[in-house]
Amino acid sequence: ETGVTQTPRHLVMGMTNKKSLKCEQHLGHNAMYWYKQSAKKPLELMFVYSLEERVENNSVPSRFSPECPNSSHLFLHLHTLQPEDSALYLCASSQDQAGPADTQYFGPGTRLTVL
Amino acid sequence: AQKVTQAQTEISVVEKEDVTLDCVYETRDTTYYLFWYKQPPSGELVFLIRRNSFDEQNEISGRYSWNFQKSTSSFNFTITASQVVDSAVYFCALSEAENRDDKIIFGKGTRLHILP
Repeated sequence: ETGVTQTPRHLVMGMTNKKSLKCEQHLGHNAMYWYKQSAKKPLELMFVYSLEERVENNSVPSRFSPECPNSSHLFLHLHTLQPEDSALYLCASSQDQAGPADTQYFGPGTRLTVL
Repeated sequence: AQKVTQAQTEISVVEKEDVTLDCVYETRDTTYYLFWYKQPPSGELVFLIRRNSFDEQNEISGRYSWNFQKSTSSFNFTITASQVVDSAVYFCALSEAENRDDKIIFGKGTRLHILP
């Protein structure tokens, strides 16, 4: 398998549920990212990991908890979400350590609906 | 103020027409990078091009071409002889070398409909 994969592709959850989104990159990259894409809003960067260490957290609520066990895998753990958290969650990776010239390669996203 | 402005929210053209998607950016950095991504209905953002601020040469790749004009802070994208498969949302993005707070800043996107 090549590129960046994400599972599940679709997720419906209640506000009291706990779920996790998974991202895997097969490109040998060193940096991974989580983005949120809501309707009519620009892409919002949530978290950045470089060499498995978190380097960026853009004031994301604590109900979103990332985990990067190795450079190929990235998780986003979800708990007690709100309906406004419904969005497309995109994972990306880049070759180097999240530098300015890095080209990010994206997965297909997980479409999350919170009821 | 928006750092990346894609003023065209939605465009519809008939197949085989040429179409240009506008992107205007704002930065104080002298070193920066500009990107275009395509997001088809499947959701995945597909990388199209990266251009650094020191390279103003226009680029052509098949039916795609990009016009980088530092004087007007624009990085426009033209599709020649459009096809239905070009229908997607297109995002322009900026990454600044000195201001690393935002990593990469995306515009709001332009939704392109190619009508058969």
